[in-house]
Amino acid sequence: QSVLTQPPSVSGAPGERVTISCTGSRSNIGAGYDVHWYRQLPGTAPKVLIYANTNRPSGVPDRFSGSKSGTLASLDITGLQAEDEADYYCQSYEGGLRGSEIFGGGTKLTVL
Amino acid sequence: QLQLQESGPGLVKPSETLSLTCTVSGVSISSDVHYWGWIRQPPGKGLEWIGYIHSSGTTYSNPSLMSRVRLSIDTSGNQFFLKLTSLTAADTAVYYCASHNCPNGVCSVGNWFDPWGQGTQVTVSS
Repeated sequence: QSVLTQPPSVSGAPGERVTISCTGSRSNIGAGYDVHWYRQLPGTAPKVLIYANTNRPSGVPDRFSGSKSGTLASLDITGLQAEDEADYYCQSYEGGLRGSEIFGGGTKLTVL
Repeated sequence: QLQLQESGPGLVKPSETLSLTCTVSGVSISSDVHYWGWIRQPPGKGLEWIGYIHSSGTTYSNPSLMSRVRLSIDTSGNQFFLKLTSLTAADTAVYYCASHNCPNGVCSVGNWFDPWGQGTQVTVSS
Protein backbone atom coordinates (compact mmCIF):
# COMPACT_ATOMS: atom_id res chain seq x y z
CA GLN A 1 0.00 0.00 0.00
CA SER A 2 1.65 3.23 -1.17
CA VAL A 3 1.57 6.34 0.98
CA LEU A 4 0.73 8.34 -2.15
CA THR A 5 -2.46 7.15 -3.83
CA GLN A 6 -2.82 7.10 -7.59
CA PRO A 7 -5.61 5.57 -9.70
CA PRO A 8 -4.38 2.22 -11.06
CA SER A 9 -5.46 3.13 -14.58
CA VAL A 10 -6.78 5.94 -16.74
CA SER A 11 -7.60 6.04 -20.44
CA GLY A 12 -8.42 8.45 -23.19
CA ALA A 13 -8.70 8.72 -26.94
CA PRO A 14 -6.09 10.44 -29.08
CA GLY A 15 -6.41 14.20 -28.78
CA GLU A 16 -8.27 14.05 -25.47
CA ARG A 17 -7.16 15.28 -22.05
CA VAL A 18 -6.53 13.06 -19.04
CA THR A 19 -5.67 13.86 -15.45
CA ILE A 20 -3.77 11.60 -13.08
CA SER A 21 -4.18 12.36 -9.39
CA CYS A 22 -1.72 11.77 -6.56
CA THR A 23 -3.31 11.97 -3.13
CA GLY A 24 -1.13 12.34 -0.07
CA SER A 25 -1.56 13.56 3.48
CA ARG A 26 -0.49 16.28 5.90
CA SER A 27 2.80 14.51 6.53
CA ASN A 28 3.96 14.56 2.91
CA ILE A 29 2.38 16.65 0.14
CA GLY A 30 0.35 18.63 2.66
CA ALA A 31 3.51 19.40 4.65
CA GLY A 32 4.83 21.36 1.70
CA TYR A 33 7.09 18.77 0.12
CA ASP A 34 7.34 19.01 -3.65
CA VAL A 35 5.76 16.48 -5.99
CA HIS A 36 7.55 15.08 -9.02
CA TRP A 37 6.17 12.99 -11.87
CA TYR A 38 7.84 10.25 -13.90
CA ARG A 39 6.88 8.38 -17.04
CA GLN A 40 8.01 4.79 -17.49
CA LEU A 41 7.75 3.14 -20.88
CA PRO A 42 7.67 -0.68 -20.90
CA GLY A 43 11.06 -2.19 -20.13
CA THR A 44 12.77 1.15 -19.53
CA ALA A 45 13.78 3.27 -16.57
CA PRO A 46 11.50 6.06 -15.34
CA LYS A 47 12.20 9.55 -16.66
CA VAL A 48 11.22 12.77 -14.96
CA LEU A 49 8.29 14.50 -16.59
CA ILE A 50 7.49 17.24 -14.07
CA TYR A 51 9.67 18.33 -11.16
CA ALA A 52 8.89 20.53 -8.18
CA ASN A 53 5.14 20.43 -8.79
CA THR A 54 4.93 22.42 -12.02
CA ASN A 55 8.28 22.48 -13.84
CA ARG A 56 9.00 20.70 -17.11
CA PRO A 57 12.55 19.59 -17.96
CA SER A 58 13.76 20.72 -21.34
CA GLY A 59 12.43 18.46 -24.05
CA VAL A 60 9.13 17.66 -22.32
CA PRO A 61 6.24 19.04 -24.39
CA ASP A 62 3.91 21.61 -22.86
CA ARG A 63 1.09 19.06 -23.28
CA PHE A 64 2.24 17.89 -19.85
CA SER A 65 1.55 20.05 -16.82
CA GLY A 66 1.54 19.58 -13.08
CA SER A 67 -0.26 21.20 -10.19
CA LYS A 68 -0.44 20.85 -6.43
CA SER A 69 -2.96 22.02 -3.86
CA GLY A 70 -3.16 20.95 -0.25
CA THR A 71 -2.60 17.21 -0.09
CA LEU A 72 -3.36 16.62 -3.78
CA ALA A 73 -1.15 16.78 -6.84
CA SER A 74 -2.23 16.27 -10.43
CA LEU A 75 -0.63 15.56 -13.78
CA ASP A 76 -2.55 16.82 -16.81
CA ILE A 77 -1.89 15.49 -20.28
CA THR A 78 -3.60 17.23 -23.17
CA GLY A 79 -3.70 16.25 -26.83
CA LEU A 80 -3.17 12.58 -26.01
CA GLN A 81 -0.88 10.70 -28.38
CA ALA A 82 -0.32 6.98 -28.78
CA GLU A 83 3.23 7.30 -27.46
CA ASP A 84 1.88 8.64 -24.15
CA GLU A 85 0.78 5.11 -23.27
CA ALA A 86 2.97 4.29 -20.27
CA ASP A 87 3.07 4.05 -16.49
CA TYR A 88 3.14 7.31 -14.53
CA TYR A 89 4.43 7.72 -10.98
CA CYS A 90 4.33 10.59 -8.53
CA GLN A 91 7.06 11.08 -5.92
CA SER A 92 7.26 13.19 -2.77
CA TYR A 93 8.75 13.01 0.71
CA GLU A 94 7.29 11.65 3.92
CA GLY A 95 8.40 13.90 6.74
CA GLY A 96 8.94 13.13 10.38
CA LEU A 97 11.47 11.10 12.34
CA ARG A 98 11.21 8.21 9.90
CA GLY A 99 11.49 10.39 6.81
CA SER A 100 11.53 8.75 3.42
CA GLU A 101 11.31 9.47 -0.28
CA ILE A 102 7.98 7.99 -1.35
CA PHE A 103 6.35 7.03 -4.64
CA GLY A 104 2.77 6.57 -5.66
CA GLY A 105 1.65 3.12 -6.74
CA GLY A 106 1.66 4.14 -10.39
CA THR A 107 -1.03 4.74 -13.01
CA LYS A 108 -1.25 2.90 -16.30
CA LEU A 109 -2.34 5.26 -19.07
CA THR A 110 -4.02 3.58 -22.02
CA VAL A 111 -4.57 5.50 -25.23
CA LEU A 112 -7.69 4.03 -26.82
CA GLN B 1 26.15 14.59 -19.97
CA LEU B 2 25.53 12.73 -16.73
CA GLN B 3 24.99 9.00 -17.16
CA LEU B 4 24.71 6.15 -14.69
CA GLN B 5 25.16 2.40 -15.19
CA GLU B 6 24.35 -0.36 -12.74
CA SER B 7 26.27 -3.61 -12.52
CA GLY B 8 26.06 -6.67 -10.32
CA PRO B 9 25.02 -10.32 -10.12
CA GLY B 10 21.71 -11.23 -11.68
CA LEU B 11 21.08 -14.11 -9.29
CA VAL B 12 21.66 -14.21 -5.55
CA LYS B 13 20.76 -16.86 -2.99
CA PRO B 14 18.39 -16.27 -0.06
CA SER B 15 20.08 -15.05 3.13
CA GLU B 16 23.09 -13.81 1.15
CA THR B 17 24.18 -10.21 0.52
CA LEU B 18 23.53 -8.33 -2.71
CA SER B 19 26.31 -6.05 -3.92
CA LEU B 20 25.60 -3.56 -6.70
CA THR B 21 27.79 -0.92 -8.30
CA CYS B 22 26.71 2.26 -10.05
CA THR B 23 29.30 3.82 -12.36
CA VAL B 24 28.85 7.52 -12.99
CA SER B 25 30.11 9.27 -16.12
CA GLY B 26 29.94 12.84 -17.32
CA VAL B 27 30.18 14.35 -13.83
CA SER B 28 32.54 13.92 -10.89
CA ILE B 29 30.87 11.91 -8.16
CA SER B 30 32.58 14.30 -5.75
CA SER B 31 30.27 17.03 -6.97
CA ASP B 32 28.42 18.72 -4.13
CA VAL B 33 25.23 19.06 -6.11
CA HIS B 34 24.07 15.45 -6.19
CA TYR B 35 22.93 12.75 -3.87
CA TRP B 36 23.52 9.35 -5.47
CA GLY B 37 20.58 7.04 -5.00
CA TRP B 38 19.12 3.59 -5.39
CA ILE B 39 15.51 2.73 -6.23
CA ARG B 40 14.04 -0.70 -6.92
CA GLN B 41 10.98 -2.07 -8.68
CA PRO B 42 9.66 -5.58 -7.96
CA PRO B 43 8.19 -7.37 -10.97
CA GLY B 44 4.86 -5.85 -11.98
CA LYS B 45 4.93 -3.42 -9.05
CA GLY B 46 5.77 0.19 -8.29
CA LEU B 47 8.92 2.01 -7.29
CA GLU B 48 10.56 1.83 -3.86
CA TRP B 49 13.29 4.18 -2.69
CA ILE B 50 16.21 2.40 -1.05
CA GLY B 51 18.53 5.24 -0.11
CA TYR B 52 21.09 7.79 -1.28
CA ILE B 53 24.58 8.95 -0.41
CA HIS B 54 26.41 12.27 -0.77
CA SER B 55 30.09 12.54 -1.63
CA SER B 56 30.62 13.77 1.94
CA GLY B 57 29.54 10.33 3.13
CA THR B 58 26.15 11.44 4.42
CA THR B 59 23.55 8.75 3.81
CA TYR B 60 19.78 8.50 4.02
CA SER B 61 17.94 5.20 3.80
CA ASN B 62 14.37 3.98 3.66
CA PRO B 63 13.40 3.24 7.28
CA SER B 64 11.85 -0.07 6.20
CA LEU B 65 15.19 -1.24 4.74
CA MET B 66 17.67 0.68 6.85
CA SER B 67 18.80 -2.25 8.98
CA ARG B 68 19.85 -4.19 5.85
CA VAL B 69 21.22 -1.40 3.65
CA ARG B 70 24.83 -0.28 3.38
CA LEU B 71 25.70 2.62 1.05
CA SER B 72 29.23 3.63 0.13
CA ILE B 73 31.06 5.74 -2.42
CA ASP B 74 34.41 5.62 -4.22
CA THR B 75 35.33 9.06 -5.46
CA SER B 76 38.50 7.88 -7.20
CA GLY B 77 36.55 5.36 -9.28
CA ASN B 78 33.51 7.60 -9.75
CA GLN B 79 31.32 4.82 -8.39
CA PHE B 80 28.87 4.27 -5.58
CA PHE B 81 27.66 1.03 -4.11
CA LEU B 82 24.70 -0.72 -2.52
CA LYS B 83 24.89 -3.68 -0.20
CA LEU B 84 21.63 -5.31 0.86
CA THR B 85 21.92 -8.08 3.43
CA SER B 86 19.74 -11.02 4.47
CA LEU B 87 18.06 -11.35 1.11
CA THR B 88 14.66 -12.97 0.61
CA ALA B 89 12.52 -13.56 -2.47
CA ALA B 90 10.80 -10.23 -1.72
CA ASP B 91 14.04 -8.47 -2.70
CA THR B 92 13.69 -9.71 -6.29
CA ALA B 93 13.43 -6.55 -8.39
CA VAL B 94 14.97 -4.32 -11.00
CA TYR B 95 17.44 -2.09 -9.17
CA TYR B 96 18.06 1.40 -10.51
CA CYS B 97 20.69 3.93 -9.57
CA ALA B 98 19.87 7.59 -10.07
CA SER B 99 21.03 11.10 -9.32
CA HIS B 100 18.97 12.93 -6.69
CA ASN B 101 19.15 16.54 -7.71
CA CYS B 102 20.25 19.51 -5.65
CA PRO B 103 18.59 22.50 -7.31
CA ASN B 104 20.59 25.73 -7.15
CA GLY B 105 23.30 23.76 -5.39
CA VAL B 106 21.19 23.13 -2.30
CA CYS B 107 20.98 19.46 -1.38
CA SER B 108 17.99 18.37 0.64
CA VAL B 109 15.47 15.58 0.84
CA GLY B 110 12.41 15.61 -1.36
CA ASN B 111 14.04 16.49 -4.68
CA TRP B 112 13.67 14.54 -7.90
CA PHE B 113 15.71 11.74 -9.44
CA ASP B 114 17.26 12.46 -12.81
CA PRO B 115 18.79 10.78 -14.67
CA TRP B 116 18.36 7.08 -13.92
CA GLY B 117 20.49 4.17 -14.98
CA GLN B 118 18.94 1.55 -17.21
CA GLY B 119 18.40 -0.81 -14.28
CA THR B 120 19.68 -4.27 -13.45
CA GLN B 121 17.51 -7.30 -12.73
CA VAL B 122 18.24 -9.07 -9.45
CA THR B 123 16.59 -12.39 -8.69
CA VAL B 124 16.80 -13.95 -5.23
CA SER B 125 16.46 -17.70 -5.55
CA SER B 126 18.20 -20.85 -4.46
